Amino acid sequence: KQEVTQIPAALSVPEGENLVLNCSFTDSAIYNLQWFRQDPGKGLTSLLLIQSSQREQTSGRLNASLDKSSGRSTLYIAASQPGDSATYLCAASTGGSNYKLTFGKGTLLTVNP
Amino acid sequence: GAVVSQHPSWVICKSGTSVKIECRSLDFQATTMFWYRQFPKQSLMLMATSNEGSKATYEQGVEKDKFLINHASLTLSTLTVTSAHPEDSSFYICSARASSGNNEQFFGPGTRLTVL
Repeated sequence: KQEVTQIPAALSVPEGENLVLNCSFTDSAIYNLQWFRQDPGKGLTSLLLIQSSQREQTSGRLNASLDKSSGRSTLYIAASQPGDSATYLCAASTGGSNYKLTFGKGTLLTVNP
Repeated sequence: GAVVSQHPSWVICKSGTSVKIECRSLDFQATTMFWYRQFPKQSLMLMATSNEGSKATYEQGVEKDKFLINHASLTLSTLTVTSAHPEDSSFYICSARASSGNNEQFFGPGTRLTVL
């Protein structure tokens, strides 16, 4: 059974700092890995999706990497802004017939102005 | 990107009543739809997976007679919480997987259910 762990559970940084969020998964036979953002009381916003054959994906100030062999993914946020404050979730898909996602518990990020 | 809607966005009901939540893929056909539940400060827990025209597959510990799922078309799935109780109060989120593409799941905005 796939298990996804995110460290740290919470992170507080001053505006402008670069930061890294970590995600690890136990079953390396993943189909893809997604990073999401969730604002309080809201649904999920997809940030980046990395296919199992890829090493990284970039979108603006965000860069996600994937190392299947070690069961790890990182989300790098450059030049953080207060608007980046949210909970960041990673989720791994192990494929199969329905491509179910297993979520980590998330990292609560606070960027202080 | 692909858009998934949920209705209602929030609902308050009395204990013992049933509540129906709709999930629609607005601009794509969804082979598979998923229903998740999220308790405060917790992550999303998958409740069930439904494929159009088939019975839903429920995760371990989820009562299929309590959480009725219907996936009658490629753009609509419904979750009915039957005889709701206060412990069913939660944030329910659906997602849809497109019939084509890279099998990415697109998430709805969620429904906040409060059972009094």
